Amino acid sequence: EPEVTQTPSHQVTQMGQEVILRCVPISNHLYFYWYRQILGQKVEFLVSFYNNEISEKSEIFDDQFSVERPDGSNFTLKIRSTKLEDSAMYFCASGETGDQPQHFGDGTRLSIL
Amino acid sequence: AQTVTQSQPEMSVQEAETVTLSCTYDTSESNYYLFWYKQPPSRQMILVIRQEAYKQQNATENRFSVNFQKAAKSFSLKISDSQLGDTAMYFCAFMYTGNQFYFGTGTSLTVIP
Repeated sequence: EPEVTQTPSHQVTQMGQEVILRCVPISNHLYFYWYRQILGQKVEFLVSFYNNEISEKSEIFDDQFSVERPDGSNFTLKIRSTKLEDSAMYFCASGETGDQPQHFGDGTRLSIL
Repeated sequence: AQTVTQSQPEMSVQEAETVTLSCTYDTSESNYYLFWYKQPPSRQMILVIRQEAYKQQNATENRFSVNFQKAAKSFSLKISDSQLGDTAMYFCAFMYTGNQFYFGTGTSLTVIP
């Protein structure tokens, strides 16, 4: 069964550094999403992406965050200058259409030191 | 705004018994989708079951079934013949077409041998 693939599985970064989290969505999917889950808390929406542009973003997704689909297969989340509170599990998800279940990747655990 | 409420932070069940996890939601949308996701200790997000709001029939997936009460905005998950592998965090989620997921705070389920 096709899967959403995220790399790396664990990223450790110094505070203030830039980090790029990578995702390869399922190949025929058109809708892409990033979510965040701080340890012990619920999963929170960050951003959705469709037709090569952001379709929706949450209050969490401020100017420090950006997303890109650089080559038609990867979908990346960049955090420009990381803060301690950015430490969380980041999930990428993709959907074939807007009303189909989103398939989640296994997540990237981001640890900011 | 959409909200999803899971009022049971923790539950336990004996192996082979049945357990029901509750979820309520609030929305003004008429066409939407409801999901239950399972998150084991590995922290993957695994789709358990999905319900379309326009369908009156409750969804069933092997040992998992839902009780969808649209008027009451209730969407509970029943797990029959509980197995040790069912131990996980369970998240109820709401989505309307083309939009983000809204997750509840989760219910931690422990299956006791």
